[in-house]
Amino acid sequence: DIQMTQSPSSLSASVGDRVTITCRASQSISTFLNWYQQKPGKAPKLLIYTASSLQSGVPSSFSGSGSGTDFTLTISSLQPEDFATYYCQQSYSTPFTFGPGTKVDIK
Amino acid sequence: EVQLVESGGGLVQPGGSLRLSCAASGFTVTSNYMHWVRQAPGKGLEWVSVIYSGGSTYYADSVKGRFTISRHNSKNTLYLQMNSLRAEDTAVYYCGSSDYIGAPIDYWGQGTLVTVSS
Repeated sequence: DIQMTQSPSSLSASVGDRVTITCRASQSISTFLNWYQQKPGKAPKLLIYTASSLQSGVPSSFSGSGSGTDFTLTISSLQPEDFATYYCQQSYSTPFTFGPGTKVDIK
Repeated sequence: EVQLVESGGGLVQPGGSLRLSCAASGFTVTSNYMHWVRQAPGKGLEWVSVIYSGGSTYYADSVKGRFTISRHNSKNTLYLQMNSLRAEDTAVYYCGSSDYIGAPIDYWGQGTLVTVSS
């Protein structure tokens, strides 16, 4: 099975900050990497798919990059509504594992 | 408009069974790749199972042999039959859909809570 790791596990940031979250796969997954945002009590929301494609309706402040085993999610200017937990997920092979999550909270 | 609505969660004793349902609208469950994902209280997301449009099914090791994913074409509904339930199966269970193999889960239900406790 492919293992996914994320760093950091949590971070504190201010509105307007640039935030970068890293995701690493235990083996190459090409660009089959997705990013989700989840707020408390809500279902996850797709942000980025195939490593760098922005889901329709998602602000352009979100971007993704990477291929193979190393990926990043960047929020160029953090907004109040961006405080949430972010998960990466590989869709290269079953089981379609998620990373452990990165919680972004207010500094 | 695409919508997924889960039901069937509740309290069940260890060793018991429960069947979750996910009613879909705006698309047909047989044309998409349908997933179950769960989240234990205060924990991260765990992928559970998928059924492909062609009918192939796959499971996480943690539920293999105990859970069965299926769908009902005319009811346009996805199911998860959960047997031999354990305390560690306690979670909110989400259904979701993908458009093709390798695609992300772009539509999600609101989730249904399963609690396994005596």
